[in-house]
Amino acid sequence: AQSVAQPEDQVNVAEGNPLTVKCTYSVSGNPYLFWYVQYPNRGLQFLLKYITGDNLVKGSYGFEAEFNKSQTSFHLKKPSALVSDSALYFCAVRPPSGTYKYIFGTGTRLKVLA
Amino acid sequence: EAQVTQNPRYLITVTGKKLTVTCSQNMNHEYMSWYRQDPGLGLRQIYYSMNVEVTDKGDVPEGYKVSRKEKRNFPLILESPSPNQTSLYFCASSFEPTGMPGTQYFGPGTRLTVL
Repeated sequence: AQSVAQPEDQVNVAEGNPLTVKCTYSVSGNPYLFWYVQYPNRGLQFLLKYITGDNLVKGSYGFEAEFNKSQTSFHLKKPSALVSDSALYFCAVRPPSGTYKYIFGTGTRLKVLA
Repeated sequence: EAQVTQNPRYLITVTGKKLTVTCSQNMNHEYMSWYRQDPGLGLRQIYYSMNVEVTDKGDVPEGYKVSRKEKRNFPLILESPSPNQTSLYFCASSFEPTGMPGTQYFGPGTRLTVL
């Protein structure tokens, strides 16, 4: 079965420190990969996506993600965390099936401490 | 302003009483989708539509219906709601002119409680 795993329910990091939010997937073929962020009482907002090409993808608000095909991972990173980055982060995969199917992870709550 | 709107934003209802959650987008997007968000389960796709009159099941379609009679609207219908459909629902849309995945734009969500 196709799936996306976000192994950490919560990640705590001090402001100014680098952050990583992990995502691994189990999807056949070459899937498309996404990160979304959800602030309290809001809908999801797009951060970045990997379609093809360079394994390091840069997105909004200084976030980036590294695609690793051999490890089937797509970890989200930021060199220096801000308190305002505190939110719920979702990894999502779209299988290369020609459909509009999306598989989301369970989410990781990021808490940046001042 | 480009946006996806959902109505109502909050709804408390009783078991078996048919309801419709509306979703509308003003970006002329062909692709639309419905998700439900539950604690510990993340987002799960209910139904999606790749064009007018074209809909297909996501991972959790049981108990839901959708229709896509015009491009801008994609209502979610619960014909006989049950308590296990209590959830936070999101509608999303995207534009994919080259066949490559576009950015999904999400609505603000509808919090549904079924008693």
